[in-house]
Amino acid sequence: GESVGLHLPTLSVQEGDNSIINCAYSNSASDYFIWYKQESGKGPQFIIDIRSNMDKRQGQRVTVLLNKTVKHLSLQIAATQPGDSAVYFCAENTETSGSRLTFGEGTQLTVNP
Amino acid sequence: EAGVAQSPRYKIIEKRQSVAFWCNPISGHATLYWYQQILGQGPKLLIQFQNNGVVDDSQLPKDRFSAERLKGVDSTLKIQPAKLEDSAVYLCASSPGLAAYPYEQYFGPGTRLTVT
Repeated sequence: GESVGLHLPTLSVQEGDNSIINCAYSNSASDYFIWYKQESGKGPQFIIDIRSNMDKRQGQRVTVLLNKTVKHLSLQIAATQPGDSAVYFCAENTETSGSRLTFGEGTQLTVNP
Repeated sequence: EAGVAQSPRYKIIEKRQSVAFWCNPISGHATLYWYQQILGQGPKLLIQFQNNGVVDDSQLPKDRFSAERLKGVDSTLKIQPAKLEDSAVYLCASSPGLAAYPYEQYFGPGTRLTVT
C-alpha cells in the first residue's frame, strides 16, 4: 500500500552545522504532513507541520519544505545541537482518513560535538 | 500539565501468554490512540477512540488484540495470545481535538514488550 518513507536511515553532523532530513511520500492525496522527533525511550514529539497548500514553513531553528511535484518533504535544522540527536519521522494525513497518521521509517540524526 | 501516562514501561512474556497495557491520557483529551512501533520503524496506528467509542480499528489484529476505553478516560490494550512478532513498543497518544483532526497528538513514553 501507499506509505511514507525516508531516503536515509542515518545522518551524522557536526555541532553547529545545518541538518537536512528528507522524506518521500507516495500518496498524492496526502494534504497534511508532520515531523516528529523521538528520543531514546520516549514517545514521538511534535516538531512542525505543513499543509499541502504551502511550500515552506518555519519554526524555531527548523524549516519544513514541501515539493508536491516530486512528493518530497524535508526538515532543515539550523545550528544543530547535541540535543537534536534523535530519530526523526515524517508522517502524513489525508482528509479522508480522519486523524490517522501514516509514519515513515525514521532517520537517526547523530550530532557530534 | 501532566503528560500521557503508560504502564508498565517494560514487559517480557513468553509466546502464547497474555499481556495488558494501560494508558491514562492528558486530562480532558477526548481522542485516544494506540500505536505499535516495531524496532526501526515508525509507529503504526492500531486503534483510535473518541471518548468511549471506537473511531478507527481497521489496523487492529482483532483475533488477538483488543482495546477498551469504557469510561472515556483511561484505556487498556490487551494481547491474547502473544506471538513473537508482537515484540514492539506500544505507544499511547491523546488529543484534545475531534477525531477528524490529525494534529496535536501527545504521545506517552510507551511500553516495550518483548515476547520470547
